[in-house]
Amino acid sequence: AQSVTQLGSHVSVSEGALVLLRCNYSSSVPPYLFWYVQYPNQGLQLLLKYTTGATLVKGINGFEAEFKKSETSFHLTKPSAHMSDAAEYFCAVSDRKDSSYKLIFGSGTRLLVRP
Amino acid sequence: GAVVSQHPSWVICKSGTSVKIECRSLDFQATTMFWYRQFPKQSLMLMATSNEGSKATYEQGVEKDKFLINHASLTLSTLTVTSAHPEDSSFYICSARGTSGRATGELFFGEGSRLTVL
Repeated sequence: AQSVTQLGSHVSVSEGALVLLRCNYSSSVPPYLFWYVQYPNQGLQLLLKYTTGATLVKGINGFEAEFKKSETSFHLTKPSAHMSDAAEYFCAVSDRKDSSYKLIFGSGTRLLVRP
Repeated sequence: GAVVSQHPSWVICKSGTSVKIECRSLDFQATTMFWYRQFPKQSLMLMATSNEGSKATYEQGVEKDKFLINHASLTLSTLTVTSAHPEDSSFYICSARGTSGRATGELFFGEGSRLTVL
């Protein structure tokens, strides 16, 4: 069964510093990979996704993620954190063989941005 | 962009009553919708997959008689929490997979519905 692990339930960075949120998946066949952001009491907004092709994926709000098959990872980065980036971030996977598009979410990482 | 609307966004009910939450795709058709529940400071747990015109597929451990799902049209799925109890208090989020226009194949999330059972 698909599973996804996010290391670090909380990450704290200073404004302007690099943001790195970690995500690892466990499946023999690389799944589709997603990063979502959630603000308090709101639904989820897609930041970026990897399905095929270029392994470095650029998303909205300056975020990007790199798919590394050898490391079964899909870490999310942003060169310079902004106060508005403070939110909960979820990595998610979807089985390529499952046409239903069902997503399995990681436990989430709360990003705190210090002024 | 494509929008998924959930209603109500907040609901408070008494223990033992039933509550219905609607998930509507506003500008695209969706034959498949998903229902998730999220406890405070936790991740989203998939409850069920809702398919238009057929029975929902529930994840292991989710009581289908407790959480009734109806997907009667290509733009609407409903989740009814029957005989709600305080432990059902949670944030319920739906997502819809587009099957028309530029939304085809894409997944969109609703804003969520917070249920509080007293």
